[in-house]
Amino acid sequence: GQQLNQSPQSMFIQEGEDVSMNCTSSSIFNTWLWYKQEPGEGPVLLIALYKAGELTSNGRLTAQFGITRKDSFLNISASIPSDVGIYFCAGQLVDTNAGKSTFGDGTTLTVKP
Amino acid sequence: KAGVTQTPRYLIKTRGQQVTLSCSPISGHRSVSWYQQTPGQGLQFLFEYFSETQRNKGNFPGRFSGRQFSNSRSEMNVSTLELGDSALYLCASSTDSGNTIYFGEGSWLTVV
Repeated sequence: GQQLNQSPQSMFIQEGEDVSMNCTSSSIFNTWLWYKQEPGEGPVLLIALYKAGELTSNGRLTAQFGITRKDSFLNISASIPSDVGIYFCAGQLVDTNAGKSTFGDGTTLTVKP
Repeated sequence: KAGVTQTPRYLIKTRGQQVTLSCSPISGHRSVSWYQQTPGQGLQFLFEYFSETQRNKGNFPGRFSGRQFSNSRSEMNVSTLELGDSALYLCASSTDSGNTIYFGEGSWLTVV
């Protein structure tokens, strides 16, 4: 099936540092979504991107929909301890509907105070 | 507006039993999808229902089934449970025209 390559797999950073993670695919997506999941909870939507080239911010988070429509990145600025969690990208292929999304394997973020 | 609600949150079943999980979508959302999440396999798409009809299906055996009711609430059923079915089962809902899915907190299933 379709696959998203998400990197890095894990990150260990110091509080205050900036973080960058990305997802790439060999297929074209019409939507990119970024989620954060904390232990024992379901993924929470952080940012949704719907157009190639779109750059969207949500507080300290910024995400972009790549112009090739095959990639997306998420940046977190000035990280804090509560940023700890697993970050997932998800994409929807062209001609698929909302319910069927493909997920990356996640980036596990650890922030050291 | 209430979010996606899943019940039960935690359950333990014995191999060979069956289980039914329930999901209430966000009000106004008619699409409900189910995902299985395990440490080794990540998030895997099970199926999606829209207006009481299965619209998409992932690559899971027939032991996994679902349905959707007229009020958009959905249930998924797993029969003849296997140890490998132990996972977090996530339900997500979205609007008809939207392409954004919102997850519930999940149901943790442990098969012993």
